[in-house]
Amino acid sequence: AQRVTQPEKLLSVFKGAPVELKCNYSYSGSPELFWYVQYSRQRLQLLLRHISRESIKGFTADLNKGETSFHLKKPFAQEEDSAMYYCALSVKAAGNKLTFGGGTRVLVKP
Amino acid sequence: GAGVSQSPSNKVTEKGKDVELRCDPISGHTALYWYRQSLGQGLEFLIYFQGNSAPDKSGLPSDRFSAERTGGSVSTLTIQRTQQEDSAVYLCASSWGQSSGNTIYFGEGSWLTVV
Repeated sequence: AQRVTQPEKLLSVFKGAPVELKCNYSYSGSPELFWYVQYSRQRLQLLLRHISRESIKGFTADLNKGETSFHLKKPFAQEEDSAMYYCALSVKAAGNKLTFGGGTRVLVKP
Repeated sequence: GAGVSQSPSNKVTEKGKDVELRCDPISGHTALYWYRQSLGQGLEFLIYFQGNSAPDKSGLPSDRFSAERTGGSVSTLTIQRTQQEDSAVYLCASSWGQSSGNTIYFGEGSWLTVV
């Protein structure tokens, strides 16, 4: 079975500092990887997916199949980045359902 | 509608009572998912519907939990004989289909408290 691990429950950084959220997964095949974000009092929403190879709100994530990681990075954190971030994986054989990590709460201090 | 709609947004129930949670997916979306978001437990998959196929119930935690989807649209998640550990936010999501390229959209959730 597939599993997603986010080792940090809380990341606290100052505004303008870099932030990196770690995500590791276990799956023997070729999964799709995603980052979802939940801002305060808002619904969970897609931030980015690895197949798009795009930067959203300054965030990027690179899939490293050798290390089975999909870490999320932003060089200069902003206060509006404070939110809960979830790494997720989906596999074709299991429909499109997402398996989520435990989440990392990011707090960007002024 | 504009997005996935869930009701009720908040529900407080007594232990042992049954509850029903409703989900209206985005119009035209054939795939529908239920997840549970508990404090300290992250997001837990419960059940998945895709078109007319048999649902994937592999995430349901016990036989007290069931879900149905009528007419390929609205879904109801039923929890029988609720327990305190059932307290959580129940999230519904939908997407166009089961292709991995389809974005999954979430509702705002139904916050269930069992007292």
